[in-house]
Amino acid sequence: EVVLAQFPHSLPVTLGQPASILCRSNENLVFTNGNTYLNWFQQRPGQSPRRLIYFVSNRDSGVPDRFNGSGSGTDFTLTISRVEAEDVGLYYCMQGTRWPWTFGQGTKVDI
Amino acid sequence: EVQLVESGGGSVEPGGSLRLSCAASGFIFSNAWMGWVRQAPGKGLEWIGIIRRESDGGTAEYVSPVTGRFTISRDDPSHTLYLQIDGLRTDDTGIYYCTTVDFWGQGTRVTVSS
Repeated sequence: EVVLAQFPHSLPVTLGQPASILCRSNENLVFTNGNTYLNWFQQRPGQSPRRLIYFVSNRDSGVPDRFNGSGSGTDFTLTISRVEAEDVGLYYCMQGTRWPWTFGQGTKVDI
Repeated sequence: EVQLVESGGGSVEPGGSLRLSCAASGFIFSNAWMGWVRQAPGKGLEWIGIIRRESDGGTAEYVSPVTGRFTISRDDPSHTLYLQIDGLRTDDTGIYYCTTVDFWGQGTRVTVSS
C-alpha cells in the first residue's frame, strides 16, 4: 500500500503570508501512462472535502490562484502564496496511482 | 451543476446492515468511476472502494478492512451509487461520502453502537 506522509501535522499561519505543506510518498507515483495521480483536498470545518489540485499541479475550476501544487515522483508540495482567513481547515494529499488509493493523514491549517 | 446526494445512514447495532445510496446529477453518470470514502469522528479520510464504469468492466475494488463486508454497486439508468454494509462494527462509525474524486457529496452519518 502506498503510504503518504504529510508534514507538518499542524501549521499555524499568518494572514497574508505564504504556507506550504509537504506530502511524501513511499513509492513513486508516476503511473504507467506517464501521469502522476496526486491530488490535494481542502476540508473546511463541518464541510465535505473539496479538490483543489489534480495531476500534481492543475487547479480545479474555481480554486483561487494562490493555491499551487508542485513536485514529482515521491515528493509533493501544496503552497498557499498568501493565506486568507477562509483557508483555515484540513488539507489532505491523495494518490490515485495505485489501488488502494490513499490519503495523507492531513495537515491542520489555522491562524 | 454536479450534485451527489447521499442517504441511508443512521444508527445501528453491531452486526447490523445498512444500504447507503448516492443520487447523482449534473454529469454523465455512466461515464464515471465512482467511490466511497469515510471519515471516522475526528479522524482523516479513508477510501472504502471504487467501482469502474461499465465500459471499463464495471468491477469494484475495496480496501482490506472492508473486503467481504462492504459491497459497492451502481445503477446507471437511475444515476445511483450504492454501498451495502453488512456485519457493522463500532469502528465503521463515521461520515460516508460518495465521490467522483473531483466532486463530493455532503455525506451521510453512520453510527454503530449497542
